[in-house]
Amino acid sequence: DVKVTQSSRYLVKRTGEKVFLECVQDMDHENMFWYRQDPGLGLRLIYFSYDVKMKEKGDIPEGYSVSREKKERFSLILESASTNQTSMYLCASSLDRSPTPLHFGNGTRLTVT
Amino acid sequence: AQSVTQLDSHVSVSEGTPVLLRCNYSSSYSPSLFWYVQHPNKGLQLLLKYTSAATLVKGINGFEAEFKKSETSFHLTKPSAHMSDAAEYFCVVSEIRTGNMLTFGGGTRLMVKP
Repeated sequence: DVKVTQSSRYLVKRTGEKVFLECVQDMDHENMFWYRQDPGLGLRLIYFSYDVKMKEKGDIPEGYSVSREKKERFSLILESASTNQTSMYLCASSLDRSPTPLHFGNGTRLTVT
Repeated sequence: AQSVTQLDSHVSVSEGTPVLLRCNYSSSYSPSLFWYVQHPNKGLQLLLKYTSAATLVKGINGFEAEFKKSETSFHLTKPSAHMSDAAEYFCVVSEIRTGNMLTFGGGTRLMVKP
């Protein structure tokens, strides 16, 4: 069974801090994704990656960056956290670019004060 | 551009009664459609998917959905609700044209009363 692990379940950070959210998958999936989930808005794609060292902007990339140095690890970086980035962040992976399902981690709830 | 509208943000049913969660999509090409479920404090789990095969799709836990192209709908149903079905449900669309990127609906929270 595919496992997608997000390193933190809850995080509390201060405005202006640099924040790292880490995600690791154990099934050699090519694709990895970062979403944020907000009530009534569903999931919105921040960034995704189809391969090591590759990254593509999603629908809401502003204020975020990502890093994929190894195939199994995809990091989301908030360069200078702001209160409007308080949200649930979900990492996901999928095998390839066909319409295969995403496998999700349990999420990181980030609060920026 | 593809989009998804979940017509109800909240649905409440009694245990043992049918469940209907409504989803309409907009897509220029033949879409793939998915339903995901999210239980409290958990990630999303795939319930079922439609990828241009049979229009009636059966998923896990007794759920099924019917793809109706003429109505651009992909409603999720279950004959008899169970308490463990209480969760948030997301309808999702993707197109080959967009590299199979997923677009999520806003979610429907299902509440099941005893």
